[in-house]
Amino acid sequence: GESVGLHLPTLSVQEGDNSIINCAYSNSASDYFIWYKQESGKGPQFIIDIRSNMDKRQGQRVTVLLNKTVKHLSLQIAATQPGDSAVYFCAEKRRTDSWGKLQFGAGTQVVVTP
Amino acid sequence: GAVVSQHPSWVICKSGTSVKIECRSLDFQATTMFWYRQFPKQSLMLMATSNEGSKATYEQGVEKDKFLINHASLTLSTLTVTSAHPEDSSFYICSARDERGPTDTQYFGPGTRLTVL
Repeated sequence: GESVGLHLPTLSVQEGDNSIINCAYSNSASDYFIWYKQESGKGPQFIIDIRSNMDKRQGQRVTVLLNKTVKHLSLQIAATQPGDSAVYFCAEKRRTDSWGKLQFGAGTQVVVTP
Repeated sequence: GAVVSQHPSWVICKSGTSVKIECRSLDFQATTMFWYRQFPKQSLMLMATSNEGSKATYEQGVEKDKFLINHASLTLSTLTVTSAHPEDSSFYICSARDERGPTDTQYFGPGTRLTVL
């Protein structure tokens, strides 16, 4: 079925380097995308979002890129820190869903090494 | 901000008993809240959509008589796991839909770890 999926289940990054987490989606009706960070034993934490009428959005140390042509979403984390170690989920909302349900990807485990 | 709380953060119960989990939006009103279940190393699985003042909408395969949801106010939704069994042990997470701004974002609670003995 249609879903949001991730290319890499685990990403090992050296402290100070930039991280790139990728996500593919397949539903053309998706109009809103969110990245969440989930630390062990905690609930997902909102990081950044982007609407489908945008290609790029920046936050503090994070950038989300959206390529609608190939249905690809990425999260870039600049100068990765040990506190960035977590599982990152992309989620999409479809304009056809009136309740605002989110479809989640499988998640990417980011491990920051010293 | 958008803060969502859950209570309790963890609970251990005996098989056959019922457990209630509360989800509260602390600084905004939420007409819609969601309940998820998460197993270790897996993604979030949506169980149901909780709508204030109406019946919850359950995802396919989720037993509505086992997972009772009540959304009695704009800041509180509860999930009751009835006649719990060991296979119900999981991490339960709620989220609240924040419709105040131009975007339509879900903010999550910290989760509740349920262990059924």
